[in-house]
Amino acid sequence: DQQVKQNSPSLSVQEGRISILNCDYTNSMFDYFLWYKKYPAEGPTFLISISSIKDKNEDGRFTVFLNKSAKHLSLHIVPSQPGDSAVYFCAASSGNTPLVFGKGTRLSVIA
Amino acid sequence: DAEITQSPRHKITETGRQVTLACHQTWNHNNMFWYRQDLGHGLRLIHYSYGVQDTNKGEVSDGYSVSRSNTEDLPLTLESAASSQTSVYFCASSDSGRISYNEQFFGPGTRLTVL
Repeated sequence: DQQVKQNSPSLSVQEGRISILNCDYTNSMFDYFLWYKKYPAEGPTFLISISSIKDKNEDGRFTVFLNKSAKHLSLHIVPSQPGDSAVYFCAASSGNTPLVFGKGTRLSVIA
Repeated sequence: DAEITQSPRHKITETGRQVTLACHQTWNHNNMFWYRQDLGHGLRLIHYSYGVQDTNKGEVSDGYSVSRSNTEDLPLTLESAASSQTSVYFCASSDSGRISYNEQFFGPGTRLTVL
């Protein structure tokens, strides 16, 4: 059973607009959440994270929001740039257990 | 600069052959992980290690093995390659500690094709 779900396989956004990527989880024991970004032919790279004691974490153009009651998190990219075009993976963990990844969302930012 | 490398970057093999994929990191990280990425499945954990002589099974460990004889290396072995193991394989490492544990550094990947 999938514990971390990214229900949108792809998303297209115009340059300069906001990109919103969504992630849902089912395991209430998850207490740390991360987003990774992956370009073709490269390994994923860590982007931003949030602990369950917070509901928002911001880093430049990237903001992650966590809604624990809904078991939902989202990544906002404002403004979106063509270089943001990549696959974004949501991941979650509880304690020192290995990360559980979602299937990814492919973001295309159109100039 | 510290880094994590994987070799080979591309490999074609035949069904039934033993294959070993190498992973080497120079960050002196205790934690190392192997994942496979397949269309429609995202990243799935194969095996992981929290230190020398420590290995643990992940979600999709059948048909794979690892050994950790030093801090820098975690080779992944496919005992008898099967077509279902055609995939892109990523190695990752992370430091100890509650936060840094999850912020994994990934290698560039190995594309394996089993014919």
